[in-house]
Amino acid sequence: DAGVIQSPRHEVTEMGQEVTLRCKPISGHDYLFWYRQTMMRGLELLIYFNNNVPIDDSGMPEDRFSAKMPNASFSTLKIQPSEPRDSAVYFCASRVGAGQHYGYTFGSGTRLTVV
Amino acid sequence: DAKTTQPNSMESNEEEPVHLPCNHSTISGTDYIHWYRQLPSQGPEYVIHGLTSNVNNRMASLAIAEDRKSSTLILHRATLRDAAVYYCILRDGRSRNAGNMLTFGGGTRLMVKP
Repeated sequence: DAGVIQSPRHEVTEMGQEVTLRCKPISGHDYLFWYRQTMMRGLELLIYFNNNVPIDDSGMPEDRFSAKMPNASFSTLKIQPSEPRDSAVYFCASRVGAGQHYGYTFGSGTRLTVV
Repeated sequence: DAKTTQPNSMESNEEEPVHLPCNHSTISGTDYIHWYRQLPSQGPEYVIHGLTSNVNNRMASLAIAEDRKSSTLILHRATLRDAAVYYCILRDGRSRNAGNMLTFGGGTRLMVKP
């Protein structure tokens, strides 16, 4: 089991550019979550999907952020246009089932720097 | 949402037990207590969870107070690899939506001295 795979590991981009972060969840997991971590705000849930359908996107900060899950094995988080304040580590996590007995598995994250 | 309170940091000596406290005085009867930890430069990882009874697994033990207003994560013999930020999180067992969301607080940064 390769775990949750995120790419790229590091991304440096200029303000105003489009950024796309990618995530491959664990096979068979039907929930997928996107989190953002900064020193100031800690870990924040941005959006989560169940069976490829977005369920709660109340944590998405602005219209510049969008997330998609076209199939069970792939999700993207896009920022367009990017701003310096978007600099953070973005984590993807997946889980199987809705019960309390299923833990989340997180990826290693994408460190985004917007200059 | 029920909140948790943890010390910002704790220090331990290698190979000694560590007791990481968490207060959750507003916990509801259906909230589960979950613990995650985040090693440096990694994503959080699941450690343990419980509802009312104490729980043990290969990583740690979870001791839950009788009134459920506090809990303690116990690492029986700390190693240098246990240095991480430990998060105590409540998950709502009633709500399908709220129960799906892990809400992280500040956590406790555990430092382990050799």
